[in-house]
Amino acid sequence: DIVVTQSPLSLPVTPGEPASISCKSSQSLLYSNGYNYLDWYLQKPGQSPQLLIYLASNRASGVPDRFSGSGSGTDFTLKISRVEAEDVGVYYCMQGLQGPITFGQGTRLEIK
Amino acid sequence: EVQLVESGGGLVQPGGSLRLACEASGFTFSSHHMSWVRQAPGKGLEWVATIEPDGSDTSYVDSVKGRFTVSRDNAKNSLYLQMDSLRAEDTAVFFCVRVIVLAGTGPHFDYWGQGTLVTVSS
Repeated sequence: DIVVTQSPLSLPVTPGEPASISCKSSQSLLYSNGYNYLDWYLQKPGQSPQLLIYLASNRASGVPDRFSGSGSGTDFTLKISRVEAEDVGVYYCMQGLQGPITFGQGTRLEIK
Repeated sequence: EVQLVESGGGLVQPGGSLRLACEASGFTFSSHHMSWVRQAPGKGLEWVATIEPDGSDTSYVDSVKGRFTVSRDNAKNSLYLQMDSLRAEDTAVFFCVRVIVLAGTGPHFDYWGQGTLVTVSS
């Protein structure tokens, strides 16, 4: 199975400041079609997860442009340019290249 | 508006069975792969199973193979998860999830239900 490892697991951030979450996979997620099969999800408190970023760097519909994803192969990053209060929750990366689909452990973002 | 509404969760004894259902609306159900994803209390997300649009193929995480069966009834816009031989470690909120293809690739999970809690305990 592909293991996906996130860091940090807890991320306190001051509103207006940037934030960055790392996701590393045990195998390359780059497929022969040139796409990296890595998505990012956010689970806000008391809610179901929502898709933020797909294929490493594409924002899902309705996602603010302060969210961006980057990386290739085994190393990926989710960045929030200026954190807002509504961004609190747990962020998960997920690999969809190979079964079983696997998620990272989650990174809890909190406001300082 | 896409809606996914799960039902069927509850308390069951170890070794028991439970059948979850998910009623879908607001989209062409028969055109989409569908999945179940679970979340143990206070823990992260775990993919459980996926079924193809016509139900012809299914896939499971190893820990539930032989115990869980995913199925669907496209005429009723419904997804199911039959869970047998339940264990304490199956205790979780189970989410019904729509799978989409983006840029010709998948799977990506774009809509999630609110989840239904399954508790396995004596």
